[in-house]
Amino acid sequence: AQRVTQPEKLLSVFKGAPVELKCNYSYSGSPELFWYVQYSRQRLQLLLRHISRESIKGFTADLNKGETSFHLKKPFAQEEDSAMYYCALEAAGNKLTFGGGTRVLVKP
Amino acid sequence: DTGVSQDPRHKITKRGQNVTFRCDPISEHNRLYWYRQTLGQGPEFLTYFQNEAQLEKSRLLSDRFSAERPKGSFSTLEIQRTEQGDSAMYLCASIAGFFSGNTIYFGEGSWLTVV
Repeated sequence: AQRVTQPEKLLSVFKGAPVELKCNYSYSGSPELFWYVQYSRQRLQLLLRHISRESIKGFTADLNKGETSFHLKKPFAQEEDSAMYYCALEAAGNKLTFGGGTRVLVKP
Repeated sequence: DTGVSQDPRHKITKRGQNVTFRCDPISEHNRLYWYRQTLGQGPEFLTYFQNEAQLEKSRLLSDRFSAERPKGSFSTLEIQRTEQGDSAMYLCASIAGFFSGNTIYFGEGSWLTVV
């Protein structure tokens, strides 16, 4: 069975500081990994997916199969980055297994 | 707003009562998913449909839970004889097609409080 772990419940950083959200997974197949974000009073939405290898809103994430990790990084956090972030793994049927989430608070 | 819509957004019910939630997916999305999210946790998969066929149910979906998607469009999730442990956010999501490259879109969720 697949599992996604986000060890930090809360990350508090100052504006302009780097931020890294950790995500580790276990899955027997070839993983499809995603980061979802939920801003205050908004619905859960896709931030980025590993197969795209793109940067969204300054965020990047690299899949490390050796360490079974998919950490999310941004070099300079902005106040509008304050939100809940969920790492997710996609299995057959487009079903998602989510981690427990990390709340990011960017202080001015 | 042409996104995934859910109704009601909030429901407070007494233990033992039945509740039903409705989800309207994005038009022409053939896959529809239900997830449950409790406080401090990420969403957990409950079940999903491809058109009107229910293809998979999680072990979290006890026999008090039933989901339908009768015409392959909207879906309902019914909880019978509610228990306090059913209190959670019930999320609906939909996706077009069968490829992992497509994006899953979530609704705003239906909050259930069982008192």
